[in-house]
Amino acid sequence: AQSVTQLDSHVSVSEGTPVLLRCNYSSSYSPSLFWYVQHPNKGLQLLLKYTSAATLVKGINGFEAEFKKSETSFHLTKPSAHMSDAAEYFCVSLTTDSWGKFQFGAGTQVVVTP
Amino acid sequence: EAQVTQNPRYLITVTGKKLTVTCSQNMNHEYMSWYRQDPGLGLRQIYYSMNVEVTDKGDVPEGYKVSRKEKRNFPLILESPSPNQTSLYFCASKPADGSGYTFGSGTRLTVV
Repeated sequence: AQSVTQLDSHVSVSEGTPVLLRCNYSSSYSPSLFWYVQHPNKGLQLLLKYTSAATLVKGINGFEAEFKKSETSFHLTKPSAHMSDAAEYFCVSLTTDSWGKFQFGAGTQVVVTP
Repeated sequence: EAQVTQNPRYLITVTGKKLTVTCSQNMNHEYMSWYRQDPGLGLRQIYYSMNVEVTDKGDVPEGYKVSRKEKRNFPLILESPSPNQTSLYFCASKPADGSGYTFGSGTRLTVV
């Protein structure tokens, strides 16, 4: 069985400061991991993905995530938050035993203050 | 443009009146899936399909049907909608590997 835990339901940051969104996974198999972003009243957009190549993954809009097998983590970071980063972020896993089943985390709502 | 197209974007219907939400993708993806998104519950998978004529239940399949007669289309059918199916629905597709899903823009369904 696989599961994804996003450790923070809400994160508030000031514009220009770093953003950290935490995600832990549990899986019996080697997972593929993803971060998606959902802006208000919009669909889901892929930010980045990890599929067992480099452990540090760079995505769009300045985001990156690091896969740490020893910690079963896949935290998302951005050095400097922008107002447009205000959105909900989902950590998602996919395992080799079931390519069709995406397992979503509960989501982290990011608020960016001026 | 590569995309997943859902229709309609918004739908209000009455309890018990059968409805279909269409989903089409132009990327020749093998996998397609339906999710519903509810406040506090996140995104939950309803059904998914690994290829034509191959479908499987997700986490919350009760009250829904799907069909996959063609590779590009994966309609979601509510035979007898109930108010607890009021939700935001997303269709998605992906190739048959470790790649992520591409999501449609969503269908906001209200059942009264």
